[in-house]
Amino acid sequence: NAGVTQTPKFQVLKTGQSMTLQCAQDMNHNSMYWYRQDPGMGLRLIYYSASEGTTDKGEVPNGYNVSRLNKREFSLRLESAAPSQTSVYFCASTQTGNYGYTFGSGTRLTVV
Amino acid sequence: DAKTTQPNSMESNEEEPVHLPCNHSTISGTDYIHWYRQLPSQGPEYVIHGLTSNVNNRMASLAIAEDRKSSTLILHRATLRDAAVYYCPGAGSYQLTFGKGTKLSVIP
Repeated sequence: NAGVTQTPKFQVLKTGQSMTLQCAQDMNHNSMYWYRQDPGMGLRLIYYSASEGTTDKGEVPNGYNVSRLNKREFSLRLESAAPSQTSVYFCASTQTGNYGYTFGSGTRLTVV
Repeated sequence: DAKTTQPNSMESNEEEPVHLPCNHSTISGTDYIHWYRQLPSQGPEYVIHGLTSNVNNRMASLAIAEDRKSSTLILHRATLRDAAVYYCPGAGSYQLTFGKGTKLSVIP
């Protein structure tokens, strides 16, 4: 059971570089999410996709873009990385809001 | 957005029951109550969720107050592997809003 798969697991970027975090789920879930977690903090929602073909901003969308490529995949792009984006990024999916969410194991991103 | 309140930390002795509280002061009538836990260096893990009635699964039990303004996650016999941060995020139609959660320490 793969669940939610995130790649890469670790990444170091220089300020100003760009990168895309990949997320894929194999549970046929409708909704997908990107969260970030800073040390000692809870998770904050960056963007979400309630269904294939739709995306919406969460609490902290600035500096990020997303693409819901198909029902399985939801990517997060940093166009010009900043040190403030150093964080652990989690992807999650669910069938709908009335079901439990499944989270990936995270991408640990450091921007120097 | 729905918000919740939890104690910052709790302790429990191993093999004793643990009752983790959560206040859902802004919950709406159709919002489910969710609980997740996060072990060190891992992603959050689903524990349990429910709407109005108490719920049980292999991991835990969820007790929901009649007015739904509070809930309690019950671990029937705490083990060292249950040491984690437990979250009861505020739940809207399409998103969960996480606070800092409750850090549970289990004492051998």
